[in-house]
Amino acid sequence: GAGVSQSPRYKVAKRGQDVALRCDPISGHVSLFWYQQALGQGPEFLTYFQNEAQLDKSGLPSDRFFAERPEGSVSTLKIQRTQQEDSAVYLCASSSREGWATQYFGPGTRLLVL
Amino acid sequence: SQELEQSPQSLIVQEGKNLTINCTSSKTLYGLYWYKQKYGEGLIFLMMLQKGGEEKSHEKITAKLDEKKQQSSLHITASQPSHAGIYLCGADGITGTASKLTFGTGTRLQVTL
Repeated sequence: GAGVSQSPRYKVAKRGQDVALRCDPISGHVSLFWYQQALGQGPEFLTYFQNEAQLDKSGLPSDRFFAERPEGSVSTLKIQRTQQEDSAVYLCASSSREGWATQYFGPGTRLLVL
Repeated sequence: SQELEQSPQSLIVQEGKNLTINCTSSKTLYGLYWYKQKYGEGLIFLMMLQKGGEEKSHEKITAKLDEKKQQSSLHITASQPSHAGIYLCGADGITGTASKLTFGTGTRLQVTL
């Protein structure tokens, strides 16, 4: 496809379950970003990859959050032992190069932790 | 702390009316992006501004970045129901790192018939 895709679009998890969220960036885009968007708020940065290298993970809220991009294209955001405060929309974005390049966003994964 | 302030937080306008949304930062904006978001969807890129005094237009939407590069405005002329949604400004480099975007809290726009 032409744009960023994410799966699943919706995920309901019981507290304590592990979840994995997938992002397929635009083909050829070297930079990939994960953001978390709480209800009524703007997206907040979680982590950033340039190719397979995770260059910035300063926004990950706890060590329960882990992201990877092993081959420099598809990325997975994993949340272990989910908590209710993890409920949010998780957005993935990609850009063609590093720094001051337009980020194109996927539709997001809406996570609800019960 | 919130580094980008958007105003107003919400806006209801009658179809055909003009409107302006503002985005203000206490720090110099190196790259300022405007996105639109509809409920349950991702962010749709509208425009990017980099230079002080820059102005860009697309269809009925015009975005400006002031000379000091600390404030941007988004102006919609003759609003239509299709303009309804949440408008977000995002800044690149505001935290000292080129790549990650810092967003405002958004402006929710409703267009009534």
